[in-house]
Amino acid sequence: GNSVTQMEGPVTLSEEAFLTINCTYTATGYPSLFWYVQYPGEGLQLLLKATKADDKGSNKGFEATYRKETTSFHLEKGSVQVSDSAVYFCALSDWDKIIFGKGTRLHILP
Amino acid sequence: DAGVTQSPTHLIKTRGQQVTLRCSPKSGHDTVSWYQQALGQGPQFIFQYYEEEERQRGNFPDRFSGHQFPNYSSELNVNALLLGDSALYLCASSGDRGYGYTFGSGTRLTVV
Repeated sequence: GNSVTQMEGPVTLSEEAFLTINCTYTATGYPSLFWYVQYPGEGLQLLLKATKADDKGSNKGFEATYRKETTSFHLEKGSVQVSDSAVYFCALSDWDKIIFGKGTRLHILP
Repeated sequence: DAGVTQSPTHLIKTRGQQVTLRCSPKSGHDTVSWYQQALGQGPQFIFQYYEEEERQRGNFPDRFSGHQFPNYSSELNVNALLLGDSALYLCASSGDRGYGYTFGSGTRLTVV
């Protein structure tokens, strides 16, 4: 079945460092791909999405490109801030539901 | 414009009891999905309701059941609670065919 695999955390970076969180997927067809973020004690917020191959999703300085040839959707940010500390989930659409990865906890040091 | 509203925010139940969680979808959304997020894990799909019918179901036992009302709000019921049912339960609403998901803040269920 469809699935998402993302790098395990926690990931600890200093403020202003470059961020990459790797995500690969297995799917039949052409799903939409998502990155969700979960701040402590809160629900999920959609960070960005891409609906077809070569699309680039972007929001709040974060970017991810839908790569069909490598079945990847890596999350990147050029300069992270302390406020980016959260858990990040890579996900894909599977008909009427969303399949999530296990999440990557990101901790940014001031 | 209110988003997805879930109640209660926290709940403590004893093993073997039954629990009901509630969800009001975002205005304009007619589809409600429920997810279970165990500690340190990604959310897992429980089921989805559309037009008051269960449209799709994940790999959860029959102890998990739901309902959708004519105003599109929904309930998740869990019978015979187990310690392993302790989790954050997330409700998500969407328009037709699951596009435009919006998640609520969740109900934290603790089974003791």
